[in-house]
Amino acid sequence: DAKTTQPNSMESNEEEPVHLPCNHSTISGTDYIHWYRQLPSQGPEYVIHGLTSNVNNRMASLAIAEDRKSSTLILHRATLRDAAVYYCILSVVGSQGNLIFGKGTKLSVKP
Amino acid sequence: DTAVSQTPKYLVTQMGNDKSIKCEQNLGHDTMYWYKQDSKKFLKIMFSYNNKELIINETVPNRFSPKSPDKAHLNLHINSLELGDSAVYFCASSQDSGARRPQHFGDGTRLSIL
Repeated sequence: DAKTTQPNSMESNEEEPVHLPCNHSTISGTDYIHWYRQLPSQGPEYVIHGLTSNVNNRMASLAIAEDRKSSTLILHRATLRDAAVYYCILSVVGSQGNLIFGKGTKLSVKP
Repeated sequence: DTAVSQTPKYLVTQMGNDKSIKCEQNLGHDTMYWYKQDSKKFLKIMFSYNNKELIINETVPNRFSPKSPDKAHLNLHINSLELGDSAVYFCASSQDSGARRPQHFGDGTRLSIL
């Protein structure tokens, strides 16, 4: 199974940037890096994904290390609504969309 | 319009009963999934269908049977419910089963077995 390692929890202050790290040292050349988040009592929500280059969308930015063994999800200005569990997942080519969720990082945002 | 909708949202039933959970997506996606999130909050895939064909069938009891009447629907039928089936079940869909495709999840069905 393609594995990722994330801190169990992180804290942030409202309106400050948040950098959520993820290690995936066993990533293979064709694995995509996906980030999802799960707000309390809701289903997982897609945030962003990338392969090699850094990616930006309206929700977040994804910074991928040059060797691809780690990545960082960046929330530019945390809001209270961003408090959630964030999952970093490797999506493996040929796995038919089988996403393997780990424990994720529980992000708390303080006002 | 809700993209991926599941019914019911809550399901409370007794051990031994048979129940179904329905899922519909209006995104025009080809691939649909069922995930289970247990009390420890681990999310694990159970099944996946692509164009009504089963493509992922993880190790789940054969009391669980998915059915896809068309591309937009994936239902989950559970026979002889057991206490350990208590969990939140999420349906998801994606454009296809490719590794770069984001998955869109429903809000879950909270199943409680008495």
